[in-house]
Amino acid sequence: AQSVSQHNHHVILSEAASLELGCNYSYGGTVNLFWYVQYPGQHLQLLLKYFSGDPLVKGIKGFEAEFIKSKFSFNLRKPSVQWSDTAEYFCAVNSHNRLAFGKGNQVVVIP
Amino acid sequence: EAGVTQFPSHSVIEKGQTVTLRCDPISGHDNLYWYRRVMGKEIKFLLHFVKESKQDESGMPNNRFLAERTGGTYSTLKVQPAELEDSGVYFCASSHGTSGLFGPGTRLTVL
Repeated sequence: AQSVSQHNHHVILSEAASLELGCNYSYGGTVNLFWYVQYPGQHLQLLLKYFSGDPLVKGIKGFEAEFIKSKFSFNLRKPSVQWSDTAEYFCAVNSHNRLAFGKGNQVVVIP
Repeated sequence: EAGVTQFPSHSVIEKGQTVTLRCDPISGHDNLYWYRRVMGKEIKFLLHFVKESKQDESGMPNNRFLAERTGGTYSTLKVQPAELEDSGVYFCASSHGTSGLFGPGTRLTVL
């Protein structure tokens, strides 16, 4: 079964700082990779996904993620965060028609 | 287009009682998934329906949990009898393909 690791579960940073959240998954053949976000009081929403092709994926709200196959990683980045990016971020891997999630990163952006 | 809806949004019950959670997927989505997040842990897969059939129920914790999907439309997840460790947020997702749209979740508290 796939497993997903996310580090630095709590991240506090100031507006305009850069954000990078790490995600590593266990090897298991072909994978589809996702980042989801849950803003306070809202649903889980898809930020971006990687299925194939260009390993640098652009998502909504200025987020991007890079798939590095050799490192089994799919790190999320945003060059300059805003207060509205305060949320919990989840990395997920689709394998055998189900999602395996990491534990999430709670990100707090201070104005 | 209406999203995935879940009812109730919150449920507080006593140990030993029964609770039924409901999920209404997006119309036309054959795939319906249930996930659960216990406090402090990752979101975990419970089961997957394709139309009215259980495709994969390997994530169901034990036989106190029963999921159904009547006529391939809405789904219910019944916990009977509920135990303290069942507390958490229960998410439903529906999809055509591999990435799903999530509902807002039902927060279950077992006292």
